[in-house]
Amino acid sequence: EVQLVESGGGLVKPGGSLRLSCVASGFIFNSYTLHWVRQAPGKGLEWVSSISSSSSYIYYADSMKGRFTISRDNTKNSVHLQLNSLRAEDTAVYYCARVEDYGDYGTGFYYWGQGTLVTVSS
Amino acid sequence: EIVLTQFPGTLSMSPGERATLSCRASQSVRNRDVAWYQQKAGQAPRLLIYGASNRAVDIPDRFSGSGSGTDFTLTITRLEPEDFAVYHCQHYDTSRRWTFGQGTKVEVK
Repeated sequence: EVQLVESGGGLVKPGGSLRLSCVASGFIFNSYTLHWVRQAPGKGLEWVSSISSSSSYIYYADSMKGRFTISRDNTKNSVHLQLNSLRAEDTAVYYCARVEDYGDYGTGFYYWGQGTLVTVSS
Repeated sequence: EIVLTQFPGTLSMSPGERATLSCRASQSVRNRDVAWYQQKAGQAPRLLIYGASNRAVDIPDRFSGSGSGTDFTLTITRLEPEDFAVYHCQHYDTSRRWTFGQGTKVEVK
């Protein structure tokens, strides 16, 4: 069974930093791209970043580029998201997610963690 | 960047009714790059539809997706009590970025 378990959320002051982690199990970790998706309270989903299986390809949403850094450790089946220069608008539940690729038929985020809440407030 | 607009924002329905949810892209997109999710309060989203019209594993056949170009639709033929939730559409583009709509809430009338 695929499992994604996030941790590291909490309350942080504006301008502060936080490091989120996601530990995966139930699949061959070093074969898959992993993603972070966030959801502000009462709002829609927002894709944050992705990292390929060997960390060769890293992508960020434009609004987070330069402040957030994604990384992974394939020896520990974990992916991390370093959040710097945090703002009130970064307050959200941050989900770790994995895509299921159906080839020519499409793709989608099939596996999700339970999320970790980041609150940015003074 | 492609923007997805979902409407209506809220759909007030009764169990047993047919629900039609819309998602409009700011430019034409490939069907294979469109997906739909269901999200219940306090839970992570669940993939319902991928490739605009293909049901994910274990998704009941009362859920169906359709559309092409810029207009996509999620239809729930007969609403069950467990279907009252928020639904999100999503697009994946060739620059390896993912976009979501703002969501449609299906609530009990």
